[in-house]
Amino acid sequence: AQSVAQPEDQVNVAEGNPLTVKCTYSVSGNPYLFWYVQYPNRGLQFLLKYITGDNLVKGSYGFEAEFNKSQTSFHLKKPSALVSDSALYFCAVRDMGGNTGFQKLVFGTGTRLLVSP
Amino acid sequence: DAGVTQSPTHLIKTRGQQVTLRCSPKSGHDTVSWYQQALGQGPQFIFQYYEEEERQRGNFPDRFSGHQFPNYSSELNVNALLLGDSALYLCASSFGQGASPQHFGDGTRLSIL
Repeated sequence: AQSVAQPEDQVNVAEGNPLTVKCTYSVSGNPYLFWYVQYPNRGLQFLLKYITGDNLVKGSYGFEAEFNKSQTSFHLKKPSALVSDSALYFCAVRDMGGNTGFQKLVFGTGTRLLVSP
Repeated sequence: DAGVTQSPTHLIKTRGQQVTLRCSPKSGHDTVSWYQQALGQGPQFIFQYYEEEERQRGNFPDRFSGHQFPNYSSELNVNALLLGDSALYLCASSFGQGASPQHFGDGTRLSIL
């Protein structure tokens, strides 16, 4: 079964500093990976995805993610953090559910990002 | 262009009752998935509907059932509610079965007393 792991429950960073939120994956076949962000009392907002191609994927709100096949990682990055980036971040992998041909998302446990002024 | 909309926003029920949650997908989307997010956890897949049929199901009991209508909207039904069913229920929509990302609604917060 496909899975992702987010090893950090919380990441603290000062505003203006670069941030990294870690994610590792375990899949059979080629991975389809996603990052979502969740603000309090809201649903999940799509940030970016990796399907194939360039290992550096650019997404919304200045976020990017680096796909590393040898380390089976897909870390989320931003060069300069904002206080407004404080939220819960989820890494997810697409699971095709055997031979059904229909996909579902398998999520990590989430990482809380706190950006201090 | 409206995104995914869910109703109601909040709901309080007691053990043993039944509940129905509703979801309207983003315009142009034809596939609806439901997820349960317990407090402090990542979303867990419940099931997915496409062309009015359940296509894939996660590890949830038969008390959880659903429906998709011809206009692609969907309902999630939970019978015989348990305290452990308290969670945020998220609906996500997408187009087809390719790599298009799923778009999520803001969820329904279900509390069981």
